[in-house]
Amino acid sequence: QLQLQESGPGLVKPSETLSLTCSVSGGSISSGSYYWGWIRQPPGKGLEWIGNIYYSGFIYYNPSLKSRATISKDTSKNHFSLNLSSVTAADTAVYYCARLVPSRRGYFDFWGQGTLVTVSS
Amino acid sequence: QSVLTQPPSVSGAPGQRVTISCTGSSSNIGSGYDVHWYQHLPGTGPKLLVYGNSNRPSGVPDRFSGSKSGTSASLAIIGLQAEDDADYYCQSYDSSLSGSVFGGGTKLTVL
Repeated sequence: QLQLQESGPGLVKPSETLSLTCSVSGGSISSGSYYWGWIRQPPGKGLEWIGNIYYSGFIYYNPSLKSRATISKDTSKNHFSLNLSSVTAADTAVYYCARLVPSRRGYFDFWGQGTLVTVSS
Repeated sequence: QSVLTQPPSVSGAPGQRVTISCTGSSSNIGSGYDVHWYQHLPGTGPKLLVYGNSNRPSGVPDRFSGSKSGTSASLAIIGLQAEDDADYYCQSYDSSLSGSVFGGGTKLTVL
């Protein structure tokens, strides 16, 4: 069974960079059949797509975050990462990683449990 | 403000039927892109309930069903059970973002 697990600091200072890693087990991120994505949920709000990365390295970003978000992968460690620069309190959210099935224009079939990141001094 | 619009809350008694709507626009659902639905329980990652408008992954009870028409989609749950008490989200593709968009979520309360 595929499992995804987010990890990273739970507290980040304003203007600094948020860095998270998603470790994948039970499957390979090098599979050409899937994309790997990041989604977040601010407190009391809905889900917001951040971006996806393909095994080839091709990346899609939400235009609202594109200038600050960087998604990368390390196939040797079977994990992918998110860096979000110049964070503000508005970036406080539960961050999820998930596997995207590219058919039907994309849906997320496996999710991590999420990790809360608070932006505060 | 989410790109897809859902009612904030719905409720129903055990055994009853409820529906949750998801309204989009010409750049997403209205362009023919599929709608997918997730169930979200506190402290867990969302669970895929319906993909491609009306398909259920293995293990999802047939009490859950999805449909789509025009710029809207719906999730129907029949025979409500206490365990269905959760948040539900719709998701689609948006051509203006070239990526995924979600609804704001609907809190289902089983009375």
